[in-house]
Amino acid sequence: KAGVTQTPRYLIKTRGQQVTLSCSPISGHRSVSWYQQTPGQGLQFLFEYFSETQRNKGNFPGRFSGRQFSNSRSEMNVSTLELGDSALYLCASNPRVARGVSGANVLTFGAGSRLTVL
Amino acid sequence: GEDVEQSLFLSVREGDSSVINCTYTDSSSTYLYWYKQEPGAGLQLLTYIFSNMDMKQDQRLTVLLNKKDKHLSLRIADTQTGDSAIYFCSNRESNDMRFGAGTRLTVKP
Repeated sequence: KAGVTQTPRYLIKTRGQQVTLSCSPISGHRSVSWYQQTPGQGLQFLFEYFSETQRNKGNFPGRFSGRQFSNSRSEMNVSTLELGDSALYLCASNPRVARGVSGANVLTFGAGSRLTVL
Repeated sequence: GEDVEQSLFLSVREGDSSVINCTYTDSSSTYLYWYKQEPGAGLQLLTYIFSNMDMKQDQRLTVLLNKKDKHLSLRIADTQTGDSAIYFCSNRESNDMRFGAGTRLTVKP
């Protein structure tokens, strides 16, 4: 079955612009989480969506937002881009249907969208 | 403070064993995980260990867990050049998984 698909893979923007990134999870997976990866800060959690609802949010400013559609596809948006937003943005999907379900919580990651802000 | 901490770099020679260490603060998770990230790719699950276990072996991989010291390690036997990657440990159970900065393993021929 197809893996997690992220588009676009690479993009270049300038300061002040906005960007929208897309993530299609594995078929049947209803949970999608987003991460930002930078050399200095490592891998940081942005937010998680389940059934079109944001369930958890990391410590990022309001310029970072996201949403999930009824088919579980998710988008994240960054407005008023800053140089420091240059990063690899990773999306992960998970089949877990609800919190507390037993079993290992295995995330399947996409290859990421590499954003460069000039 | 950080949920997990790892050393940033490790360099070994091909054929040697690699040991990647991780310390964590939150001990409530049922499982602890190791992920691997190869250049230009996302993370992929390498292995995980149930928190009631002290050790798990999977081919060349050995995971050791010291719950008292909140210390997790990943040993790779007979390290190959294809093992060069960034390795992340994580100890969060929910989908807002928290990772450290990762350990970049370099394998020299």
